[in-house]
Amino acid sequence: GAGVSQTPSNKVTEKGKYVELRCDPISGHTALYWYRQSLGQGPEFLIYFQGTGAADDSGLPNDRFFAVRPEGSVSTLKIQRTERGDSAVYLCASSLGQGNTEAFFGQGTRLTVV
Amino acid sequence: AQKVTQAQTEISVVEKEDVTLDCVYETRDTTYYLFWYKQPPSGELVFLIRRNSFDEQNEISGRYSWNFQKSTSSFNFTITASQVVDSAVYFCALSEARRGSYKLIFGSGTRLLVRP
Repeated sequence: GAGVSQTPSNKVTEKGKYVELRCDPISGHTALYWYRQSLGQGPEFLIYFQGTGAADDSGLPNDRFFAVRPEGSVSTLKIQRTERGDSAVYLCASSLGQGNTEAFFGQGTRLTVV
Repeated sequence: AQKVTQAQTEISVVEKEDVTLDCVYETRDTTYYLFWYKQPPSGELVFLIRRNSFDEQNEISGRYSWNFQKSTSSFNFTITASQVVDSAVYFCALSEARRGSYKLIFGSGTRLLVRP
């Protein structure tokens, strides 16, 4: 597709379970970002990839959160031992990188932890 | 520290009215970028504009215009002759280059409701 694709669009999981959220960026975009948006708030930065490496993971809230991008394209955000406070919309964005600042966002994955 | 403040939580106007959304930012850097994004009910963030810190010229795009003033650290957004389709949450954001990352720091958003 032409835009950033995120799957699933909705995920309901029980407290304590493990979840994976997937992001498929725009083809050719080397930079990939994950954000988290709680209800009524602006998105908050989680992690930035340039190619395969996580260049900035300063936004990850704790060690239950981890993300990978093994081939420099698709990225997976992984959350272990989910808590009710993890419920939010997780947004992925990509950009051309190399100094290009315009990021294109996916439609997000709404995670609900019950 | 970097911060973006959108003091207006919600604005309601009648169609065809002009409306201005305020954005105030804080940064210690001299090189930075400012953005506006629109988030309609579908949830996807739509890019509207990017401004770099060295370009203070105001910009107009159709019914949209932006006023960037470094002296007051503000980057306000005006919609002229608003339409019902403009109803959405609007976010102002700040970006600085850190180790090649242009991560965005968002404000809390302003919900705009345009009534027919």
